[in-house]
Amino acid sequence: QKEVEQNSGPLSVPEGAIASLNCTYSDRGSQSFFWYRQYSGKSPELIMFIYSNGDKEDGRFTAQLNKASQYVSLLIRDSQPSDSATYLCAVFMDSNYQLIWGAGTKLIIKP
Amino acid sequence: SQTIHQWPATLVQPVGSPLSLECTVEGTSNPNLYWYRQAAGRGLQLLFYSVGIGQISSEVPQNLSASRPQDRQFILSSKKLLLSDSGFYLCALKQGAGNQPQHFGDGTRLSIL
Repeated sequence: QKEVEQNSGPLSVPEGAIASLNCTYSDRGSQSFFWYRQYSGKSPELIMFIYSNGDKEDGRFTAQLNKASQYVSLLIRDSQPSDSATYLCAVFMDSNYQLIWGAGTKLIIKP
Repeated sequence: SQTIHQWPATLVQPVGSPLSLECTVEGTSNPNLYWYRQAAGRGLQLLFYSVGIGQISSEVPQNLSASRPQDRQFILSSKKLLLSDSGFYLCALKQGAGNQPQHFGDGTRLSIL
């Protein structure tokens, strides 16, 4: 059973601080990883994707991938109240070309 | 740019009634299309996916079915809804068979009474 695990939270972070969200996956062969943000009552929207080990930065967001340890992280710098949402991690399975989804981490940014 | 249309946004149906949810896409051709369901406070459950017209793969056995009568149209149906069918139904598309990201429509919130 291929799995993607996330801490459900809520994770509470003060405004302006760095929010760190983590995701672990079970399939060592996975190559592609995605972070989505989902506001309450809305559909998920893609924030970032990462395919290679290391860091990938896009504005205030940084995705970090460590394939040896089988985890992928999302860092949000200078957190804003508008970042309050549930963050979903998804892992692409090369074996069947499908995404395996984590259950999401609820992030709360406190003003 | 790609656009995904889902309707209705909200639907309230009695137990045992039929269901038809439609998803249409614009700005792309030959997309992979997906139906997901999200129960309240839960993650995404893949229901069906389609790689082309008339090609449907089911991920979870249940009383739902899907059809793809046209390249840019994906329909989710049920003959008799159950209480457990309540949830947030999301249509997603992906361009190509590889590891490109999926993009979601606005979803339909279905409540079964």
